[in-house]
Amino acid sequence: EAGVTQFPSHSVIEKGQTVTLRCDPISGHDNLYWYRRVMGKEIKFLLHFVKESKQDESGMPNNRFLAERTGGTYSTLKVQPAELEDSGVYFCASSNAAEQFFGPGTRLTVL
Amino acid sequence: QKEVEQNSGPLSVPEGAIASLNCTYSDRVSQSFFWYRQYSGKSPELIMSIYSNGDKEDGRFTAQLNKASQYVSLLIRDSQPSDSATYLCARGEGTGRRALTFGSGTRLQVQP
Repeated sequence: EAGVTQFPSHSVIEKGQTVTLRCDPISGHDNLYWYRRVMGKEIKFLLHFVKESKQDESGMPNNRFLAERTGGTYSTLKVQPAELEDSGVYFCASSNAAEQFFGPGTRLTVL
Repeated sequence: QKEVEQNSGPLSVPEGAIASLNCTYSDRVSQSFFWYRQYSGKSPELIMSIYSNGDKEDGRFTAQLNKASQYVSLLIRDSQPSDSATYLCARGEGTGRRALTFGSGTRLQVQP
């Protein structure tokens, strides 16, 4: 069974540009989560989808971040416009129970 | 006070010894607890989950939970150099599918 996959693995953009991250959950997992880890800090929750619906978006830092999960399969996380403090590793996780399984992450660098 | 606290380490143990990793949490609504292992530059890998007070064993790993003391630990028996990694403690509200709150992780070094 394939695990959670994320694309791209790395992204380097300039401040003010737009970036879209993609996550493909484990097949059949209704729950999809986005987290991020900024330099030197712990992994922080961003939001949670159940199928195509946003169950909890309390961790989204501001309205420059937009997450979608059309059709309840893969999800995208768009940052527009990107700021320097958005740099970090963005993880996606999926689950059908309490245990969450993480993808390899996307390392975002905003210059 | 952080919601989930871990000693950042590094915790250094000799090969074959027992490594003991500790985690405390600050609230009383947490019901589910998880230990993840993360190698440098890789994704967090789930190694243990625990929901009830007491011990839970899986191979060389034992998770211990004490809700009254708001304390969860992970013991690794017969530590191997391949166990060298950062161990992340996470808690979830309830027993369902909810956001996880992570500690900052403890770096474990197993010396050959």
